[in-house]
Amino acid sequence: GQQLNQSPQSMFIQEGEDVSMNCTSSSIFNTWLWYKQDPGEGPVLLIALYKAGELTSNGRLTAQFGITRKDSFLNISASIPSDVGIYFCAGPYNQGGKLIFGQGTELSVKP
Amino acid sequence: EAQVTQNPRYLITVTGKKLTVTCSQNMNHEYMSWYRQDPGLGLRQIYYSMNVEVTDKGDVPEGYKVSRKEKRNFPLILESPSPNQTSLYFCASSLGREAFFGQGTRLTVV
Repeated sequence: GQQLNQSPQSMFIQEGEDVSMNCTSSSIFNTWLWYKQDPGEGPVLLIALYKAGELTSNGRLTAQFGITRKDSFLNISASIPSDVGIYFCAGPYNQGGKLIFGQGTELSVKP
Repeated sequence: EAQVTQNPRYLITVTGKKLTVTCSQNMNHEYMSWYRQDPGLGLRQIYYSMNVEVTDKGDVPEGYKVSRKEKRNFPLILESPSPNQTSLYFCASSLGREAFFGQGTRLTVV
């Protein structure tokens, strides 16, 4: 079935560094979503992308919808300790509402 | 406040003892679903519901049941839990393409 491949699986960075992660699919998506999961909590939507080539920011976060519609990128600038968590990409499986998730990127930030 | 509420947050039970995890949303969303999260496997969909009285299997439905008698509630039922169902469970509701998640239920079956 459809799969999303997310990389890297984990990152250990120093506070203040920029972070980049990406997600690729074997099939075309018309929406890309990026979620963050804080330890012990449910995923929370960070950014939603609806158009190929779209670049959207949410504070220090910037995400892009790849022009091939098969990939997406999330960048975090000037990381801070509260950025720690797992970041998931997701895309709709069909029109009904089902989402497919990437495996997640676990981010650790050293103060 | 718009939210998805799951209960309980933590549950330890014994093999074979039936349990129900409740989920309620106050956003009038039609689509609701259940996911389980396991290390290295990400989020996998168990069951979903596109509206009242309409439910269908997700990717990993074995050992689970659901019901959707009202729009706001979507309970997850484990008739005879087994240790391989030890996991972190999330309920989600969505309108369109964005999903909103509950805080999760950490289930341990011993």
